[in-house]
Amino acid sequence: DTAVSQTPKYLVTQMGNDKSIKCEQNLGHDTMYWYKQDSKKFLKIMFSYNNKELIINETVPNRFSPKSPDKAHLNLHINSLELGDSAVYFCASSPIDRQETQYFGPGTRLLVL
Amino acid sequence: QQQVKQSPQSLIVQKGGISIINCAYENTAFDYFPWYQQFPGKGPALLIAIRPDVSEKKEGRFTISFNKSAKQFSLHIMDSQPGDSATYFCAASRSGGFKTIFGAGTRLFVKA
Repeated sequence: DTAVSQTPKYLVTQMGNDKSIKCEQNLGHDTMYWYKQDSKKFLKIMFSYNNKELIINETVPNRFSPKSPDKAHLNLHINSLELGDSAVYFCASSPIDRQETQYFGPGTRLLVL
Repeated sequence: QQQVKQSPQSLIVQKGGISIINCAYENTAFDYFPWYQQFPGKGPALLIAIRPDVSEKKEGRFTISFNKSAKQFSLHIMDSQPGDSATYFCAASRSGGFKTIFGAGTRLFVKA
């Protein structure tokens, strides 16, 4: 029983391509997030969604577009990939009454060549 | 105001020793301070957390010490084991804020 799952696990692509990462949680949580972890392990929030609505966009370039078709899913589409987008992307979720407690997925390792 | 500063960047401890990781925050609106543990190739997982109304919280070998006036908190791992080798992140958030600020992480290596 995977609580927060992401696909794909690895993504290797050329600069300029468009790619998507999918995230699903089966915890019944209302809030979902995308984080970016760079090569130095620094973990930074990108987006927060609550009940399918965008709550926080941490000055992420417009090339990144999250989409939440329902409360259990939060996908991330990236246009015109750049070398600097290479990182590990984590999806997370939290319950509405304990938003501060986050449950992370296994991560998607993106490498842009 | 939004930063959480974490030190040291890396830590090597002998098996059975005490590992200590420190964090400092600036925003007094933060009211939840978790620690996350991340193993290589995995996502971070909540280890232990504290709210400002207590000065210490202990769960097994893991203890958080919290100093509200100094705006500092620390993680102590007693009787450190090789299996504790991981990256540890402190974090801070505000209830209902939908946003958690993470420290830069500490890579802990416990020597057998």
